[in-house]
Amino acid sequence: QQQVKQSPQSLIVQKGGIPIINCAYENTAFDYFPWYQQFPGKGPALLIAIRPDVSEKKEGRFTISFNKSAKQFSLHIMDSQPGDSATYFCAASKTDDKIIFGKGTRLHILP
Amino acid sequence: NAGVMQNPRHLVRRRGQEARLRCSPMKGHSHVYWYRQLPEEGLKFMVYLQKENIIDESGMPKERFSAEFPKEGPSILRIQQVVRGDSAAYFCASSPGAQDTQYFGPGTRLTVL
Repeated sequence: QQQVKQSPQSLIVQKGGIPIINCAYENTAFDYFPWYQQFPGKGPALLIAIRPDVSEKKEGRFTISFNKSAKQFSLHIMDSQPGDSATYFCAASKTDDKIIFGKGTRLHILP
Repeated sequence: NAGVMQNPRHLVRRRGQEARLRCSPMKGHSHVYWYRQLPEEGLKFMVYLQKENIIDESGMPKERFSAEFPKEGPSILRIQQVVRGDSAAYFCASSPGAQDTQYFGPGTRLTVL
């Protein structure tokens, strides 16, 4: 059973466009939703995270939108750049428990 | 402040051999997590350890896999009698506390011939 479903698997966007990656979760007890960015040959790095008491969080060009009733959250990258090309993972966890990751989205930003 | 360190970065083993993967957490971090990543897959949780204690090993295969985090020294993930299906990237993460951000190491890529 996949607790965190992520889509799309891959995404190609022109430079300056706004890629959107979506995630849906099953467990209503989840209370922490981080996004990780991973470059080839590197470990994942925390990009931005949100808790369910807010519907949106913005850090620089990265924005998380959160819909608690629909059990969905998404990542938007404004003014995307070729350097943003990476694999992005959404994740979810509940207090004092392990992080459950989505399967990842390979993002490619065309120059 | 050095980040999470893992070694070796690449490890090649023949079927039936043992693999030992090491993880040194960030300074001041006493919580360590191990994940496995297969090609085209996300990270799968394996085990969560605090110094000298296994807190959650619900993601560890029941046989051949073990993990430890001794009082002194790095955390070790040990895979005995490796099989081809063990080939994957193994990532370690550390955090200062249970609910804090996890910081990942660069991973160890295990190839079983």
